Amino acid sequence: DTGVSQDPRHKITKRGQNVTFRCDPISEHNRLYWYRQTLGQGPEFLTYFQNEAQLEKSRLLSDRFSAERPKGSFSTLEIQRTEQGDSAMYLCASSALDRLSYNEQFFGPGTRLTVL
Amino acid sequence: AQKITQTQPGMFVQEKEAVTLDCTYDTSDPSYGLFWYKQPSSGEMIFLIYQGSYDQQNATEGRYSLNFQKARKSANLVISASQLGDSAMYFCAMTKGRRALTFGSGTRLQVQP
Repeated sequence: DTGVSQDPRHKITKRGQNVTFRCDPISEHNRLYWYRQTLGQGPEFLTYFQNEAQLEKSRLLSDRFSAERPKGSFSTLEIQRTEQGDSAMYLCASSALDRLSYNEQFFGPGTRLTVL
Repeated sequence: AQKITQTQPGMFVQEKEAVTLDCTYDTSDPSYGLFWYKQPSSGEMIFLIYQGSYDQQNATEGRYSLNFQKARKSANLVISASQLGDSAMYFCAMTKGRRALTFGSGTRLQVQP
């Protein structure tokens, strides 16, 4: 399978614990995006990388959230001191910077986080 | 700032009939892209169709077509010959350049046999 993969698919944690999610983009894609989707809503942008550089962060990304893409390949999203409001689906997407047409983003299956 | 509005929380359609899902957008940028994604109950986001702001013709991809009315800032998705497998959430989204997507709140489509 050469699509975007995310791990784990599901995570249940207790309030106050730290969690880390991983995203592996399509191998030749330069850009990697993180989104958060709560029940009944569309995905909301969190942050994105071009290669290893984090180019933009949403206001949704509080100081408890940190994302990295150390070698321009896979990315991790860490949430510290989780709160019940962090319960959501965390989606990763990737796209190829050198596409001449448009920025089609390919999404992974998501990580569903439940904070008890 | 970009904004996407989908005013239909849910839609029903009979199998083999056509259905239109509404999407309006707001942006001050002259150059932008409009997308439709499908999200089945399994959760993955599936790209359906794209329309660029400068494209003269409406985009089509198989049974999907995008009714782009630039002056009205609308980008409605038309699904022809609905199938049971089309039952899912549908999201309209937009982007400027290669930046992140801004999504609407979605429309849940249910195809009835």
